[in-house]
Amino acid sequence: GIQVEQSPPDLILQEGANSTLRCNFSDSVNNLQWFHQNPWGQLINLFYIPSGTKQNGRLSATTVATERYSLLYISSSQTTDSGVYFCAVTQAGTALIFGKGTTLSVSS
Amino acid sequence: SAVISQKPSRDICQRGTSLTIQCQVDSQVTMMFWYRQQPGQSLTLIATANQGSEATYESGFVIDKFPISRPNLTFSTLTVSNMSPEDSSIYLCSAHPLLSGYGYTFGSGTRLTVV
Repeated sequence: GIQVEQSPPDLILQEGANSTLRCNFSDSVNNLQWFHQNPWGQLINLFYIPSGTKQNGRLSATTVATERYSLLYISSSQTTDSGVYFCAVTQAGTALIFGKGTTLSVSS
Repeated sequence: SAVISQKPSRDICQRGTSLTIQCQVDSQVTMMFWYRQQPGQSLTLIATANQGSEATYESGFVIDKFPISRPNLTFSTLTVSNMSPEDSSIYLCSAHPLLSGYGYTFGSGTRLTVV
């Protein structure tokens, strides 16, 4: 099955810093999503981005489908950005397959 | 996109008992999915729930331990049976997008602790 690799596994930042999270996948996909899981376990959908670039406030994402990777950018990080960021992909209507996640800690 | 209501949000259960988790979707969806997230881990797919047929289970998960029902296109349940402390996890349900071009949606999760 398709493999999803995320890097880095852990990231520690000072408030105000910028960061880039990466997601590599092993096969073509028709769905790619980025999620943020808050400390209470709730999964928040950030982007649906099988290709191209999207922006939402301080967050943006780019997926280069032909090269099988996606990037999530966080600018001017805040303590509320802390948590685990997951990349998940799927092919042709099957279930989403998740990477292992990047744990982000932002300190003030 | 669809909105999913999942309950209970959390529970503490005695070993050997069973817990049923419910997910209600505000729209009809073709497929629903159940995931388990063990402490400090990523989400692992348990099974795909299809209306009108038995659920399809992933390797390592069996129907006797995780029976699933899907009586209609807006509702599904997952039962965690004969629980042990190793079943302590977050359980999440998900729905296939209604239209192409939209992402999958998730319930808010059930945090289960088995003592």
